[in-house]
Amino acid sequence: KAGVTQTPRYLIKTRGQQVTLSCSPISGHRSVSWYQQTPGQGLQFLFEYFSETQRNKGNFPGRFSGRQFSNSRSEMNVSTLELGDSALYLCATKVSGGNTGELFFGEGSRLTVL
Amino acid sequence: AQTVTQSQPEMSVQEAETVTLSCTYDTSESDYYLFWYKQPPSRQMILVIRQEAYKQQNATENRFSVNFQKAAKSFSLKISDSQLGDAAMYFCAYTPTGAGSYQLTFGKGTKLSVIP
Repeated sequence: KAGVTQTPRYLIKTRGQQVTLSCSPISGHRSVSWYQQTPGQGLQFLFEYFSETQRNKGNFPGRFSGRQFSNSRSEMNVSTLELGDSALYLCATKVSGGNTGELFFGEGSRLTVL
Repeated sequence: AQTVTQSQPEMSVQEAETVTLSCTYDTSESDYYLFWYKQPPSRQMILVIRQEAYKQQNATENRFSVNFQKAAKSFSLKISDSQLGDAAMYFCAYTPTGAGSYQLTFGKGTKLSVIP
């Protein structure tokens, strides 16, 4: 069974650009969450999608957005990139909505903003 | 707001020995889940162990066990017979139960080194 797949694995952008990251969940998983990981702030929740609906959003500016498609694949977008957006972006998926079940993480997309 | 604190940024243990990683949390909820996640250098986070707050019995998974003290809001992870493959970042995490979104609050992590 394939795991959570995130693409691209590494990318370099410059300030002011925008970026789109993709997450393909494990087959059958309908909940997709995104987390930002930085050395200073640690892991912070960005948002969660279930059945194409955003169920919750963390404390991030509106430059951070996401969506989920009917096949449960999800994308997140960061517009007008800032240096502080450099981070590892992790996608995590699970079978169902609600507060049960194990989260399965991808290996992440490493974004560097110059 | 819920917070999770891991007071040990780094720890080391000799191979085959036992090590305990500390975690405290703050919440006003009475029912929640607590987790320990492991992030090896390859970066993929995996679940080590999970504890449901309403269960008084401490969770165990092979060499991994927890000491859950609900009143003290403490949730430590004990790794017995440490192996080289246990070297990783370990994150303590929390989520409340109930309806709604599944959102983990993580601690800053503890980097565990295993000395051969």
